[in-house]
Parts: sequence; structure tokens; C-alpha cells
Amino acid sequence: KNEVEQSPQNLTAQEGEFITINCSYSVGISALHWLQQHPGGGIVSLFMLSSGKKKHGRLIATINIQEKHSSLHITASHPRDSAVYICAGDNYGQNFVFGPGTRLSVLP
Amino acid sequence: DAGVIQSPRHEVTEMGQEVTLRCKPISGHNSLFWYRQTMMRGLELLIYFNNNVPIDDSGMPEDRFSAKMPNASFSTLKIQPSEPRDSAVYFCASSGYGASYNEQFFGPGTRLTVL
Repeated sequence: KNEVEQSPQNLTAQEGEFITINCSYSVGISALHWLQQHPGGGIVSLFMLSSGKKKHGRLIATINIQEKHSSLHITASHPRDSAVYICAGDNYGQNFVFGPGTRLSVLP
Repeated sequence: DAGVIQSPRHEVTEMGQEVTLRCKPISGHNSLFWYRQTMMRGLELLIYFNNNVPIDDSGMPEDRFSAKMPNASFSTLKIQPSEPRDSAVYFCASSGYGASYNEQFFGPGTRLTVL
């Protein structure tokens, strides 16, 4: 069983739809990261959170420490949101574990 | 700031050759990470430096891999001898103290192909 799991594995949405990507982890972590990998390969850190919720533009990330679960939401999705979204956890800067990624395609 | 700089961006080499990948972290950042990404295994952490000192190298696959950080502005990842299964994209990332402690900034990656 992977230490970090994501669902769905692949997601296709229409422009404007509300999108949710889920991440569950089985190891102890101090922080959870959401990364975005563009089709060209570049990786951008979207969020780093250890509790509660963070919002940046149309992106919202939440984490439930007790349930070991995090979600990434995208409101009013746009084709430029098409990317692979990777969930990762670390324990005070060590023992990084990565999810397999969710491939999102937003169609115009 | 130019962000994290990696070189080369692409490297094609033959099995058995030595490969050196280079990384310049963001100025002022004190943590540096080397990752490898493959289709089969996804993103994996190879090694992590804090203040130029290797903290966690448990992800380094075998003795053929070595990483150094001689100063705060430069790190290398060396593979000697290289093998076809080392073909992957290698990312370097850095992070620093402050409000975004642990947020990592990634370089563009080096795509390595070992023939």
C-alpha cells in the first residue's frame, strides 16, 4: 500500500467546473504539499499546509490531520489548469513521500 | 530572482559514462533537494541538504550516485558509472526560512537519457 494515495488518477472536466482532487496518507507528517506539474514538465509549489485551509486565487487546499486527508479544489476551472497535481508530505523537512499524481485535463 | 537554476537541461550519454548535474539554489535559501522523476516510480527524493550538510540521503539509489554541496550557492549530483535505468528527469529544489518555511521552489529539471 502506498504511503500517499491520490484520487482520481485522471480527471477530465469542462471549463468552468468545480474540481476536487483528494489525497490520503498513512504516515505521520508535519506538512502537506500540493505541487503542480505543467505539461512541459516544470513543477510549481502551490500550497504547503499543516492545518486548516489555504486559498490562493481560484485554488483552495484543505487538510484534516485526524483523518489524514487533504483536498485541492479548483473553482471556475480553466484549460490552463490542465496539469498533473501531486500531493506530498514531509516530517519536519525529512522523509518526503509523494503521491502518484492526478492528471487533470480541462476542456474548453 | 532567477529562481533555481539547473544545468544542463538535457543530457544524453552512453552507459558507463560519468554524468554530473548541477544546481544553483535561490540566494538565501538554506535547504536544497535533489529529486528524480520517472514514469514508473513518479517523483522520488534522492537527497536533502540543510546548510550545505547532507541530512537525508536514504533515497540515493546506490553507490553510483553521489551528491555534494560545497557552498550555499552550488550543488552537484554525480552518477558514475551511468546505466540506462538512470534515465529520468532530475529536479533540484530549494527552500528557506520564513513564512513559507518548507515551501520548495523547483528548478526546470535536467532530462537525462542514458543509452
